[in-house]
Amino acid sequence: LAKTTQPISMDSYEGQEVNITCSHNNIATNDYITWYQQFPSQGPRFIIQGYKTKVTNEVASLFIPADRKSSTLSLPRVSLSDTAVYYCLVGLINAGNMLTFGGGTRLMVKP
Amino acid sequence: NAGVTQTPKFQVLKTGQSMTLQCAQDMNHNSMYWYRQDPGMGLRLIYYSASEGTTDKGEVPNGYNVSRLNKREFSLRLESAAPSQTSVYFCASSDFIERQGYYGYTFGSGTRLTVV
Repeated sequence: LAKTTQPISMDSYEGQEVNITCSHNNIATNDYITWYQQFPSQGPRFIIQGYKTKVTNEVASLFIPADRKSSTLSLPRVSLSDTAVYYCLVGLINAGNMLTFGGGTRLMVKP
Repeated sequence: NAGVTQTPKFQVLKTGQSMTLQCAQDMNHNSMYWYRQDPGMGLRLIYYSASEGTTDKGEVPNGYNVSRLNKREFSLRLESAAPSQTSVYFCASSDFIERQGYYGYTFGSGTRLTVV
């Protein structure tokens, strides 16, 4: 299982773009990168998933460089409701895969 | 569309008591998981079931047992609860979400367990 390293916490202000970087130096050829968001007292919620280059959906973008040893989750124009813990997961995306949740990044958005 | 349903939402046990946490998903997912999350920490995998009829240990299986009753249901049993098992327990299921093009987990809302 690829080990991931993320900042423990980040602060931002409403309306700013937030970039959270995850390092995964030992990512394997067939591994995908997935980000989840967790609010207090709730289970994690899927944000975005990618294999290489850039992926964008309605809530975020995911940037993956050519060597795939890191990835950056980009949240455009954050609001107070984006205050949460963000987890970067790396691994195979198939049935029964044991994805490991690290400590995540605690994002605090201030007014 | 209920997703993943966990019961109960809260439980207080005395040391040594047993209980079963229930989990059911209505998305026809093949794989199901049980995680625990201690305060301020990430999620740790207890057990998982890749498909109906199979179960495997995760990172922290000691003190727990599981049953994949059918494709929908995956229960977690604490045979003799200990204070160290005080935690929030999350059940999840996973599969390829074809309409959106990703493979993802769907989590339940959690069971907050306190062992005194």
